Amino acid sequence: DTGVSQDPRHKITKRGQNVTFRCDPISEHNRLYWYRQTLGQGPEFLTYFQNEAQLEKSRLLSDRFSAERPKGSFSTLEIQRTEQGDSAMYLCASSSRDNRFGATIYFGEGSWLTVV
Amino acid sequence: KQEVTQIPAALSVPEGENLVLNCSFTDSAIYNLQWFRQDPGKGLTSLLLIQSSQREQTSGRLNASLDKSSGRSTLYIAASQPGDSATYLCAHTGANSKLTFGKGITLSVRP
Repeated sequence: DTGVSQDPRHKITKRGQNVTFRCDPISEHNRLYWYRQTLGQGPEFLTYFQNEAQLEKSRLLSDRFSAERPKGSFSTLEIQRTEQGDSAMYLCASSSRDNRFGATIYFGEGSWLTVV
Repeated sequence: KQEVTQIPAALSVPEGENLVLNCSFTDSAIYNLQWFRQDPGKGLTSLLLIQSSQREQTSGRLNASLDKSSGRSTLYIAASQPGDSATYLCAHTGANSKLTFGKGITLSVRP
């Protein structure tokens, strides 16, 4: 159990560029979540997967955002045509079962995005 | 909109003090409530999880309680230490399995 791994940890990009973040969950965790956190705020839900199926997407996830989990293992979050408002920390988390019923949810260290 | 409120936003206490962090929420249909710790620039670490049918959970010097009917939870930290300095966030899980977080309380424990 090596924990949830996120890459890159930091990304500075120019407005209008595309960026992609990768998340490797704890092995055998079938649920994977993406959250976004800005300074001084709590994390906000973006989307989550059960295996390869994307079960829910927040309204925060505009058309410029897309997330995939092609084989039910790692996941990618892509932001197209970045805007300054996209600057935030993008957090990935995983759990072995439905967290409604008490499963511990494990967060990665986050990927910081700065759009200049 | 379901909300989670944590007041105050920041707290500074001397080492050794017992302290209580408060969390209030508006969603009456939560499945559970969790307390997380976040160190600056880092991810979140789950501290305690209380299912809606439970009243409290304990781990070491930490004790969390849940009063679902009044929409309140507290995190009690006994004999605080400088290493407890961090941001503490509460979050509840709703019917759609997503966590709804408060903004957190930034705790500073002075040596």
